[in-house]
Amino acid sequence: GIQVEQSPPDLILQEGANSTLRCNFSDSVNNLQWFHQNPWGQLINLFYIPSGTKQNGRLSATTVATERYSLLYISSSQTTDSGVYFCAVERSGGGADGLTFGKGTHLIIQP
Amino acid sequence: AAGVIQSPRHLIKEKRETATLKCYPIPRHDTVYWYQQGPGQDPQFLISFYEKMQSDKGSIPDRFSAQQFSDYHSELNMSSLELGDSALYFCASSRRQGWSLHEAFFGQGTRLTVV
Repeated sequence: GIQVEQSPPDLILQEGANSTLRCNFSDSVNNLQWFHQNPWGQLINLFYIPSGTKQNGRLSATTVATERYSLLYISSSQTTDSGVYFCAVERSGGGADGLTFGKGTHLIIQP
Repeated sequence: AAGVIQSPRHLIKEKRETATLKCYPIPRHDTVYWYQQGPGQDPQFLISFYEKMQSDKGSIPDRFSAQQFSDYHSELNMSSLELGDSALYFCASSRRQGWSLHEAFFGQGTRLTVV
């Protein structure tokens, strides 16, 4: 199956800092999504971004499908940004097995 | 906007008991997925349904089964529960167009604890 690698695995920042999270994938994809899992376990949709660039407030994401990677940018971090950020992809022509998740980046924002 | 609804939110069962988790997808979504997330792990795909028919299986134990009903809600049935089944179980729904999956949305999950 498709391999999804996220980096860094852990990140500790001070409030107000900026960060870049990376997702590499091993095959062509139809779908790529970024999620934030909050401390209560809820998976919150951040971006649906199989290609191109999107922005939503302090967050933005870029996927370069031809080079098989995606980046999530978080600016002016707040303590509420803490949690695990997952990249998940669906392989092109992959049938109905849905999204394959990376191991996630565990982000801690300190006040 | 309507979201994916899962019930119950929390469930405590003893070893060897059975459990049934329910999922109500977003209206007009034709595809439902079940995922299992162990502590500190990423979500792992279990099984999926498209238009009420099972479409694919992932790492789902033989002790587990699932189905999707005529109203599109889905149930995950888990029997002979083991301590290792303790996890967060997610249901997700989406619309499928050919081989492409539109944006998937996840429910809040059911936290199963087996004691």
